[in-house]
Amino acid sequence: GEDVEQSLFLSVREGDSSVINCTYTDSSSTYLYWYKQEPGAGLQLLTYIFSNMDMKQDQRLTVLLNKKDKHLSLRIADTQTGDSAIYFCAEIRGKLIFGQGTTLQVKP
Amino acid sequence: DVKVTQSSRYLVKRTGEKVFLECVQDMDHENMFWYRQDPGLGLRLIYFSYDVKMKEKGDIPEGYSVSREKKERFSLILESASTNQTSMYLCASSYRRYEKLFFGSGTQLSVL
Repeated sequence: GEDVEQSLFLSVREGDSSVINCTYTDSSSTYLYWYKQEPGAGLQLLTYIFSNMDMKQDQRLTVLLNKKDKHLSLRIADTQTGDSAIYFCAEIRGKLIFGQGTTLQVKP
Repeated sequence: DVKVTQSSRYLVKRTGEKVFLECVQDMDHENMFWYRQDPGLGLRLIYFSYDVKMKEKGDIPEGYSVSREKKERFSLILESASTNQTSMYLCASSYRRYEKLFFGSGTQLSVL
């Protein structure tokens, strides 16, 4: 398809791992991004992965890239209530194309 | 830290009014962008600018125009506001085109 696809909602319990999935469209995208939007705020760059990598780890965050399936995922270990936000994946396809955003709800 | 400031957090306007949304960035970025955000649709690019006095249409430019007279300021103009322009508007800037965009906090515009 033409769109960057994400599921719209994910609910987890505090302390569990969260996995947010994204399907992108352009296998030639050089970078793929994850942005986070906290309530009442703009987006902030959370992490990114270069297209020649399979995995990138940054503290509690792990990004996995499957180029064959054009699948990107963001894993948050030990999810905290402060992780509650909307998470957007994005690819570069002439311009930055965002997915619809996944709302992560963290229950105490 | 990079700061992108949008002039209003909330704005209520009437149908047919001319609306100006202002955005200022303080990091001397060449690139500036205007997006609108609607639930379930993600972010859609309205207009962008790679240099002063330069502008290019994004995916949904109809009903909007922009102005970039100074490098740090990028304004979005709704010439005649309509109810379907009720949305969250986000401004962003970057040093390198589409790498690492820095976003403002957004302006929630309601057109009645």
